[in-house]
Amino acid sequence: SYVLTQPPSVSVAPGKTARIPCGGDNIGSKSVHWYQQKPGQAPVLVIYFDIDRPSGIPERFSGSNSGNTATLTISRVEAEDGADYYCHVWDSSGDHPVFGGGTKLTVL
Amino acid sequence: EVQLVQSGAEVKKSGESLKISCQGSGYDFTSHWIGWVRQMPGRGLEWMGIIYPGDSEIRYSPSFQGQFTISADKSVSTAYLQWSSLKASDTAMYFCARTMTSGYLDGFDIWGHGTAVTVS
Repeated sequence: SYVLTQPPSVSVAPGKTARIPCGGDNIGSKSVHWYQQKPGQAPVLVIYFDIDRPSGIPERFSGSNSGNTATLTISRVEAEDGADYYCHVWDSSGDHPVFGGGTKLTVL
Repeated sequence: EVQLVQSGAEVKKSGESLKISCQGSGYDFTSHWIGWVRQMPGRGLEWMGIIYPGDSEIRYSPSFQGQFTISADKSVSTAYLQWSSLKASDTAMYFCARTMTSGYLDGFDIWGHGTAVTVS
């Protein structure tokens, strides 16, 4: 089945830009969704269909997807952005969702 | 308000059965997929399976095939996840989540608060 690969952790200083990659075979041909999860809380959708933001999600959050890597970019990082982030696609061969292993974003 | 409300925390013994629920409100329950997600302590999110309440079409993750059953009762806008014989390794937080539209390629925009299951 389809595999999504994320780095376990990414660190960034406040005010800088964080980039969280999600790797997969020809992932650019799929639609990628991103979720933020803070400790003790349910995940929150922050990017859908590669680049779209749900209402209420700050414009600092953006996404891109090409080739074998999709990327979640968080500009002007704030302390509250520290969380786990997961990418998600649908596995067309199995017709079911697939999650990446998650990336812990640490704001220094 | 669109929301998914999950049943409360459970503490069970190995070998016991369990059925947890996820009730939708504020939207047409039959027109969005509902997925179930496991999160073991300190671990990432794992998709277990999804159901379309409109026609009860179900797809199970290959990683979990046969370990549990997913169902839905559209008359009460509720999806279920059940086990016939729990194991200690089923100890986890379980989330339900719905797709943004009826399209199964969508992201999951509404999540339940989670049901903690502890098996000793």
